[in-house]
Amino acid sequence: SSELTQDPAVSVALGQTVRITCQGDSLRSYFASWYQKKPGQAPVLVIYGQNNRPSGIPDRFSGSNSGNTASLTITGAQAEDEADYYCNSRDTSGSHLYVFGTGTKVTVL
Amino acid sequence: EVQLVESGGDLVQPGGSLRLSCAASGFSFSQSWMTWIRQAPGRGLEWVANINQDGRGKYYVDSVKGRFTISRDNAKNSLYLDMNSLRAEDTAFYYCAGALLAGTVHKFGPWGRGTLVTVSS
Repeated sequence: SSELTQDPAVSVALGQTVRITCQGDSLRSYFASWYQKKPGQAPVLVIYGQNNRPSGIPDRFSGSNSGNTASLTITGAQAEDEADYYCNSRDTSGSHLYVFGTGTKVTVL
Repeated sequence: EVQLVESGGDLVQPGGSLRLSCAASGFSFSQSWMTWIRQAPGRGLEWVANINQDGRGKYYVDSVKGRFTISRDNAKNSLYLDMNSLRAEDTAFYYCAGALLAGTVHKFGPWGRGTLVTVSS
């Protein structure tokens, strides 16, 4: 089965930019989707496809893709962006199987 | 308003069974793929299972294959997860979510608030 690797933790100063990366072979074939997860709350979809934001997601969130790496960028991070972020992609081992990345804890200083 | 509400989570002994339910409203349930995703305490998100619109296509993560069964009732706008032979490692919050699976693009959402399954003696 596929694996998606993320850095465990990153920090960013308030108002600055942070990039979170997700690496895996499946990303050469399939786009990632990205989820924000805060303690005690349901996950929230923030980016999917090439660089699509659901309604209600601020435009400071953006996505990009290159080779086996997908990236989520927060431009002008806010205190409320402090959360765990997970990428997700289709598994290359079979149809309609999916896998989440290991997750990145984003701390806003 | 789009809403997904999970229920059925409980404390169950190892080897036991449980049925989770998810009641959907405010979106085209019968036209949507649906998914179950879980998060164990202190761990990351894990995709568990998908089901297609008519319920004939079902897909599972290897760790639950043969033990869990995903199903749906489009007349009741409801999604289910039947969980058998439960193990301690199945302890988690279980979330139901709508899914768009379209070739190279996919997304999970809307999401429910989750229901807690605890497997312990």
